[in-house]
Amino acid sequence: DAGITQSPRHKVTETGTPVTLRCHQTENHRYMYWYRQDPGHGLRLIHYSYGVKDTDKGEVSDGYSVSRSKTEDFLLTLESATSSQTSVYFCAISPRGGTTGELFFGEGSRLTVL
Amino acid sequence: DAKTTQPNSMESNEEEPVHLPCNHSTISGTDYIHWYRQLPSQGPEYVIHGLTSNVNNRMASLAIAEDRKSSTLILHRATLRDAAVYYCILRDNSGGSNYKLTFGKGTLLTVNP
Repeated sequence: DAGITQSPRHKVTETGTPVTLRCHQTENHRYMYWYRQDPGHGLRLIHYSYGVKDTDKGEVSDGYSVSRSKTEDFLLTLESATSSQTSVYFCAISPRGGTTGELFFGEGSRLTVL
Repeated sequence: DAKTTQPNSMESNEEEPVHLPCNHSTISGTDYIHWYRQLPSQGPEYVIHGLTSNVNNRMASLAIAEDRKSSTLILHRATLRDAAVYYCILRDNSGGSNYKLTFGKGTLLTVNP
């Protein structure tokens, strides 16, 4: 058990509303990631973090922002949700970071934007 | 970015070995080969990784070609619980982005009883 909790697990919202997804870890690992998964696209990296207040963009970062004010929490925010952001969002941690990079994933957050 | 190519789907019978292939002809010398799997309605799960030598763990074995342009994940005795999408991934080692793993579409493994 990698000690990763995502919340909320399910959310339905309307276009134009802000949404924040939370990823919480209990192991104080440095590296955390947000992915989205859509049919036909596999998993795509949105943003990742390599420390408190240290974040960087992934391949599909447009429309998303992240914050990491403490080690255990990595927040993903959709400032103004669009229907194209309907997806399953996975948070991941990497205990050993960039050297070998094994990731451990949360159970996912299913977001529907109407 | 170095890419991987996997078959879209494969079938196996329970208790038989399964060999899942992956081609990565543009792999660079320092790219690690990772395998993950994703069971239905769950997040991906780490399976195994390697650089040059074959690797074994309690879940599977990873056989890496001598030229590193391909690899094979071996499940020695498939069970129904091994039915999942299997992803072969190269660790992105370009431009300082050492931390991220880029997933493709994977191979859907069906295990028949």
